[in-house]
Amino acid sequence: QQPVQSPQAVILREGEDAVINCSSSKALYSVHWYRQKHGEAPVFLMILLKGGEQKGHEKISASFNEKKQQSSLYLTASQLSYSGTYFCGSRGSTLGRLYFGRGTQLTVWP
Amino acid sequence: SQTIHQWPATLVQPVGSPLSLECTVEGTSNPNLYWYRQAAGRGLQLLFYSVGIGQISSEVPQNLSASRPQDRQFILSSKKLLLSDSGFYLCAWSRPVFGAGEQYFGPGTRLTVT
Repeated sequence: QQPVQSPQAVILREGEDAVINCSSSKALYSVHWYRQKHGEAPVFLMILLKGGEQKGHEKISASFNEKKQQSSLYLTASQLSYSGTYFCGSRGSTLGRLYFGRGTQLTVWP
Repeated sequence: SQTIHQWPATLVQPVGSPLSLECTVEGTSNPNLYWYRQAAGRGLQLLFYSVGIGQISSEVPQNLSASRPQDRQFILSSKKLLLSDSGFYLCAWSRPVFGAGEQYFGPGTRLTVT
């Protein structure tokens, strides 16, 4: 039930865009996105509930395709501060536990 | 606002020694509480979660145990540490069961077993 994230790693130049994908083999109720900087705890970015909504946080947005059981995180005009490991978490129901993907390591160079 | 505390921040323990990590949450009532372990460069492994005082669910049978003696206190313990117990231990909380379920993590405890 662990969601699958792709790619495993991304290297960008400052100002470039990136997309991180998260897919599940099970029906999804919600998808959560977190960012973890090296040596620190994960920080909650946003949550998407089923309904295909799109959300944004600064220049980071995400979409949720309930039918495809997928979510994508879009990072626009990347900044150095975006570097870190991005985790998606998926829940199959309101009472279900959260399953985390293995993470995508994003590195932004100046 | 809600805050979550963990201590100690770092810990170096010999194999076979006991362990006690503490997590407390402020500013919320009846939170769901979680213990995760993260090995170096790896993902988040859920160890235990709790929906109330004295209610603990174990995800991974290990030499670890968890207790929730008070509503906003969650303790991770071991009687005898193994080398494989080394890692970054994270406590997290979320709003009660019917919430959206987003989890907020504490600062973590970095445990090295030697």
